Amino acid sequence: QITLKESGPTLVKPTQTLTLTCNFSGFSLSSSPVAVGWIRQPPGKALEWLAVIYWNDDKRYSPSLKTRLTITKDTSKSQVVLSMTNMDPVDTATYYCAHEATLLSLGLRYWFFDVWGRGTLVTVSS
Amino acid sequence: DIQMTQSPSSLSASVGERVTITCRASQPITTYMNWYLQKAGKAPELLIYGASNLQSGVPSRFSGSGSGTDFTLTISTLQPEDFATYYCQQTYTSPWTFGRGTKVAVK
Repeated sequence: QITLKESGPTLVKPTQTLTLTCNFSGFSLSSSPVAVGWIRQPPGKALEWLAVIYWNDDKRYSPSLKTRLTITKDTSKSQVVLSMTNMDPVDTATYYCAHEATLLSLGLRYWFFDVWGRGTLVTVSS
Repeated sequence: DIQMTQSPSSLSASVGERVTITCRASQPITTYMNWYLQKAGKAPELLIYGASNLQSGVPSRFSGSGSGTDFTLTISTLQPEDFATYYCQQTYTSPWTFGRGTKVAVK
């Protein structure tokens, strides 16, 4: 059974750096095509994809946030860490990490978030 | 970035009704379309991947169709537990992008 759980501060001040940890179990991020992604959701708003790290250490970032984001993995600890610098009140949101599975069908490789953590609400305020 | 436009943004329906939600991509994405359901205060749940593939454990009243730029999520017979917000997502090219959501409310 795959599970993920986000942890980190619930309150950060403007300009500070947010560091969130995703602890996962039930899979390895060091072998076979798999990834862990981060998605956020401001209160009452839509989902926003932030970043993803793949089993082979390939990384992708949202272009609008790329200069502020860093995603890393520690396979020995089954952890993925997301850092976001220069936090602003508009970054107030629930932050989710999710297991991104892949499947090959008719020559196409599909990626999808099949298991999500419960999310952690981060408030940015002085 | 590929923009995903969902419609309607909200709808009211009764239990037993057929519900259809559409999502249009700003450029062709073949069948790289996923659909998620999100209940209030909960994390999203995967319903459909690859435009039409039902995720394991998801009831068969949910179905997806489409390719290219136009996609549809259909709930054949709305159940009480289906009142939620639905999101489409493209995974054709990075960055992955989500639609703004469709809230299905009780009529």
